[in-house]
Formats: sequence, structure tokens, C-alpha cells
Amino acid sequence: AQKVTQAQTEISVVEKEDVTLDCVYETRDTTYYLFWYKQPPSGELVFLIRRNSFDEQNEISGRYSWNFQKSTSSFNFTITASQVVDSAVYFCAPDSGGGADGLTFGKGTHLIIQP
Amino acid sequence: EAGVTQFPSHSVIEKGQTVTLRCDPISGHDNLYWYRRVMGKEIKFLLHFVKESKQDESGMPNNRFLAERTGGTYSTLKVQPAELEDSGVYFCASSQDRARQTQYFGPGTRLLVL
Repeated sequence: AQKVTQAQTEISVVEKEDVTLDCVYETRDTTYYLFWYKQPPSGELVFLIRRNSFDEQNEISGRYSWNFQKSTSSFNFTITASQVVDSAVYFCAPDSGGGADGLTFGKGTHLIIQP
Repeated sequence: EAGVTQFPSHSVIEKGQTVTLRCDPISGHDNLYWYRRVMGKEIKFLLHFVKESKQDESGMPNNRFLAERTGGTYSTLKVQPAELEDSGVYFCASSQDRARQTQYFGPGTRLLVL
């Protein structure tokens, strides 16, 4: 089974600061997918990104960027020029591996952006 | 296009009662998943349907939980009888294809067992 560690339980920054959310995972699979989801105060889980373990290029989407380091089993998420609307809980989730279909979620990082 | 919907949004019941949660996946999505998050814990996978067939129910906690997806459209998750430790948020997700495709989540049902 996979394991996910999001060591930062809560992060608080002032608006416009950059912030990085860490994700470290364990897997015995050679190929796997990694996901990030956002859970705003309204409670729904919003899909942010899906990354194949073969693709080690970093990805940028607007103010969001992801740094995937297969050698260290990390998949970190950076928000540039944070905004109050970015306040949410963010989850890193690899697929469960071994043929199982569910995602394995970390405990999440609660990000607070102060105005 | 409508997203994944779940009903009810909240449910408060007493221990020993029965509750049925419903999930409507995104239209055309054959794959449907149930997850739950109990207080202070991670979101945990419960089970996975492909159309009306259960593909993986390794996460179902015990036989008080019964999931169905008759006709391969919406799904229900019944808890009978409910216990205090069943309190939490139950999420449903759907995906178009099985092979590790993106799962899109519903807003969740918040269940409180008193």
C-alpha cells in the first residue's frame, strides 16, 4: 500500500507571499500517478493536477506549480503570489498501487492566506 | 456539465438507526468510488464500482455498510445499524476510465451519529 506524508499540518502566510506545500510518498510500484486536490471551506474536493511517474518535468499552471522529484519521492506544490481565495486544505494523493483503484490521501495541509 | 452530486448534504441520526447516502456521478462516467473521512483521520477509500459491478471493496469497514449501484447509474451507501464511529464525511467520486484516471469528487455528505 502507498503512504503519504504531508508534514505541514498548517501554514499561514500573508497575501502575495509564495508558499510551498510538501508531499512525500512511499510506493513499491514502478509506475504510478500522483494527484493534488484542494478542499476549500465549502468542503468539496477540487482536482488540481494528475502526474504520471514517468513524467518528471515540472508543471506550471498560472500561479500554481508542481515539482516532482522521483529520486526523493516528493511531489511539492507551490503557489506564487498567494491570494486569500487560496485558503483551503490541500491533499496530496498517489493512486493506491498494486492494482487497487482508490487513492491514498495524506492528512492534508491547511493553508491560511491572511489579507 | 453537472458534477458529482451527493444527497443529503448533512444527516444527523441516532445510534442504531439506518441511513442511506446517494451519489450521482458525472454523466457517462462508468467508475464510481466511495471514500470517507472520520474525525481526525485521513480520507479513506471504501469501494469502487465499474458500472454496476463492485471492483474493489477492500476499504469497506464492516458488514454494516452496503453499497449498491443498480443499473450502473447512481449509487447508494447504506449504513445499518449506524454506530458513533461512523460519523464523518462521506465522499463520492467518479472517473471516465478505470486506468488511473482523474477522480472527480462530490461535495460530500456529513453524517453525525448521536
